[in-house]
Amino acid sequence: QLQLQESGPGLVKPSETLSLTCIVSGDSISSSNYYWGWIRQPPGKGLEWIGSVYYSGTTYYNPSLKSRVIISVDTSDSQFSLKLTSLTAADTAVYFCARQNWGVADYFDYWGQGILVTVSS
Amino acid sequence: EIVMTQSPATLSVSPGQRATLSCRASQSVGSNLAWYQQKPGQAPRLLIYGASTRATGIPARFSGSGSGTDFTLTISSLQSEDFAVYYCQQYNNWPPFYTFGQGTKLEIK
Repeated sequence: QLQLQESGPGLVKPSETLSLTCIVSGDSISSSNYYWGWIRQPPGKGLEWIGSVYYSGTTYYNPSLKSRVIISVDTSDSQFSLKLTSLTAADTAVYFCARQNWGVADYFDYWGQGILVTVSS
Repeated sequence: EIVMTQSPATLSVSPGQRATLSCRASQSVGSNLAWYQQKPGQAPRLLIYGASTRATGIPARFSGSGSGTDFTLTISSLQSEDFAVYYCQQYNNWPPFYTFGQGTKLEIK
């Protein structure tokens, strides 16, 4: 059974950089059928796709966040990571990692439990 | 950016009754649409992809329909565990730029 688990700080200061990691277990992160994505959800609000990464390192980002986001993959450790720079209070959210089906239909079929990140001094 | 608009924002339905949720895209997305269910404190759960294909393990009371710009999620006979927030998501862009609707909260009447 595929499992994804986010890890990282729960509190980050404004203007700093957020670093989150998602560990993938139960399946290969190097499968050619999937990308691996980050999605966030501000408290009480809807879902926003941040970006996705392929095992080869190819990435796609939400244009509204592209200037502040880097997503990378480490196949040897079966994990992928998110870096979000220049944080403001608007970046406070639950951050989810998820497996993204790739090719015919780009939906997110397995999700981590999410990690709440608060941006505050 | 393709904007996804869901209606209504809140839907009150009695257990055992049918619920119909709508999702509209600002431009055609073909059948490139998924539906998710989210309960408080949990991650979203994939219900439907390709506008009408149920994901693995999803009960037959959930069905999706539509194409182009107008989509519907129908829950034929509501069970207590179905009361949650539902989101639609389109995946029709190239390069990829996935967007979600703002959600419909399905509550017990």
